[in-house]
Amino acid sequence: SAVISQKPSRDICQRGTSLTIQCQVDSQVTMMFWYRQQPGQSLTLIATANQGSEATYESGFVIDKFPISRPNLTFSTLTVSNMSPEDSSIYLCSVSDRAGNTIYFGEGSWLTVV
Amino acid sequence: GNSVTQMEGPVTLSEEAFLTINCTYTATGYPSLFWYVQYPGEGLQLLLKATKADDKGSNKGFEATYRKETTSFHLEKGSVQVSDSAVYFCALSDRGTNAGKSTFGDGTTLTVKP
Repeated sequence: SAVISQKPSRDICQRGTSLTIQCQVDSQVTMMFWYRQQPGQSLTLIATANQGSEATYESGFVIDKFPISRPNLTFSTLTVSNMSPEDSSIYLCSVSDRAGNTIYFGEGSWLTVV
Repeated sequence: GNSVTQMEGPVTLSEEAFLTINCTYTATGYPSLFWYVQYPGEGLQLLLKATKADDKGSNKGFEATYRKETTSFHLEKGSVQVSDSAVYFCALSDRGTNAGKSTFGDGTTLTVKP
């Protein structure tokens, strides 16, 4: 099993600022995934973070807005840059077992941009 | 690419009614399938999963069977309670190279009235 810790759990941010979300896993994993859940919406994959390489972004998400770091096999950060109220969302980190049969999610980082 | 289609909501039922939420998927490989539940103001919780064809996932009276021939994973419960009121998400997870990469349906809001 894997336990994921995300920080911050909640934050209220000013428009135009940037916030970095941390994701720590208690075991080594190859890929880490970042998702966004906007209010009243489903989860959408932002990017896949592999250690030692640049993150792979999904359509509609760009590195300038959501830079990701993956310095080792247990840690990743997602930065939400130049925030606007439309960035108010829950941001979730996820990992899986090697087979993709068990998915683990962090508790989420609930961001409100004012 | 992969996709998940859930029956449109919202769904409103009386207590003790039978619940079905339809879910069909399109995948390039052989995914794992999941149902998640999100209660108001809370994070995502895994409800049940199935990892191969004809597997039945079950939890808290909810069931879903992995139907590869119809690419479906419909959620059922024989007798719903008011406490089951929540948003339900069907999802699939890649295996192989992108193991753990999840695709979510739009979610179905269930309201159970006493």
